[in-house]
Amino acid sequence: GAGVSQSPRYKVTKRGQDVTLRCDPISSHATLYWYQQALGQGPEFLTYFNYEAQPDKSGLPSDRFSAERPEGSISTLTIQRTEQRDSAMYRCASSLGSAGGGETQYFGPGTRLLVL
Amino acid sequence: KNEVEQSPQNLTAQEGEFITINCSYSVGISALHWLQQHPGGGIVSLFMLSSGKKKHGRLIATINIQEKHSSLHITASHPRDSAVYICAVWKPTGNQFYFGTGTSLTVIP
Repeated sequence: GAGVSQSPRYKVTKRGQDVTLRCDPISSHATLYWYQQALGQGPEFLTYFNYEAQPDKSGLPSDRFSAERPEGSISTLTIQRTEQRDSAMYRCASSLGSAGGGETQYFGPGTRLLVL
Repeated sequence: KNEVEQSPQNLTAQEGEFITINCSYSVGISALHWLQQHPGGGIVSLFMLSSGKKKHGRLIATINIQEKHSSLHITASHPRDSAVYICAVWKPTGNQFYFGTGTSLTVIP
């Protein structure tokens, strides 16, 4: 596609519900990143994929968070048993090569999650 | 202690002024990124540096690996440069990105 897209753009859920956020990277981009950005704060790194491989999950804040990229293109971020502290903007970015963080990233518009 | 420190946190400048934003980091890195976050929330990558200096239009980014320091310069600042500028570093051991807290720039006409 022309750019990185994310869906939904806004999600309101009740505490305890599961949510799944989707990221569609630029086609042919090898690397995909997920970030969490609380209101008024800078982004925080969650995890990344080189194609379908997920080299590191240690940035995920708890075991309620999981991410997949099964075919090396679209990725989903799932938050189970949501808590109010999960309310944030969730951003996805992609980069062309597979050099980890040594590539220019293209950011999606984000999904604003609100947990009531 | 944050792995990435930015200064200043807030900056107000008159149109036309030369602006410098600083970033210091404490971890071993393979790349440093400067990002721009617009008032509407979108994030754009400005530069990715592993050494030396890069220039794009009125923007210049430098990095000193030995001193673990980078600067972002804006020449002839314009109100449309008003945004939050974020420094981020990639730590290859551990595969982690660390972000600064951002510098909020306002350029007054």
